[in-house]
Amino acid sequence: GENVEQHPSTLSVQEGDSAVIKCTYSDSASNYFPWYKQELGKGPQLIIDIRSNVGEKKDQRIAVTLNKTAKHFSLHITETQPEDSAVYFCAPRGQFYFGTGTSLTVIP
Amino acid sequence: NAGVTQTPKFRVLKTGQSMTLLCAQDMNHEYMYWYRQDPGMGLRLIHYSVGEGTTAKGEVPDGYNVSRLKKQNFLLGLESAAPSQTSVYFCASSHPGRDLKGGFHNEQFFGPGTRLTVL
Repeated sequence: GENVEQHPSTLSVQEGDSAVIKCTYSDSASNYFPWYKQELGKGPQLIIDIRSNVGEKKDQRIAVTLNKTAKHFSLHITETQPEDSAVYFCAPRGQFYFGTGTSLTVIP
Repeated sequence: NAGVTQTPKFRVLKTGQSMTLLCAQDMNHEYMYWYRQDPGMGLRLIHYSVGEGTTAKGEVPDGYNVSRLKKQNFLLGLESAAPSQTSVYFCASSHPGRDLKGGFHNEQFFGPGTRLTVL
């Protein structure tokens, strides 16, 4: 099966700073790379995804970058706000295997 | 449009008891999944289904059974609950596809979760 590693496991940033979370995977056949956000007491929700034929995608304050050669993709959040505090998961291939999660805390 | 719903939201069982968790989706999705979430371990796939009448094992299927008799419903059963099955269970559904440029996508829609405690 897919071997997914996500780093860091916890991340604290000051409001307004940037946050970066990295996901590495093992299956070279992976061709879809989403990031999910899970708020306390809720199910995960897709926030951004990238397909294998694209290297970078941006949506307002969040972006995802993909390096297929090195088998990793990263979530970038700029100008962080308290409502960005949540647990973030990567899921290479978009199903079956999720990263272990990153708990992000934005300090006001 | 309710999306994905799960029943019940909370449940406490004694070791050896059985129960069924119900997942329902109203988006006409082909794929449905059951995950469990434990602290520090992320989401782990228990079973999944790619269509009505079909099921397949995921990463951690032991101790669980599933059924997909109707497209909109996916049931997860515990025949003899064990304390190791204490967890939060999430159901999800999706409809994989390709965009105009041929890029694959598969957004999963998750339910609110069921918190199960086995004593």
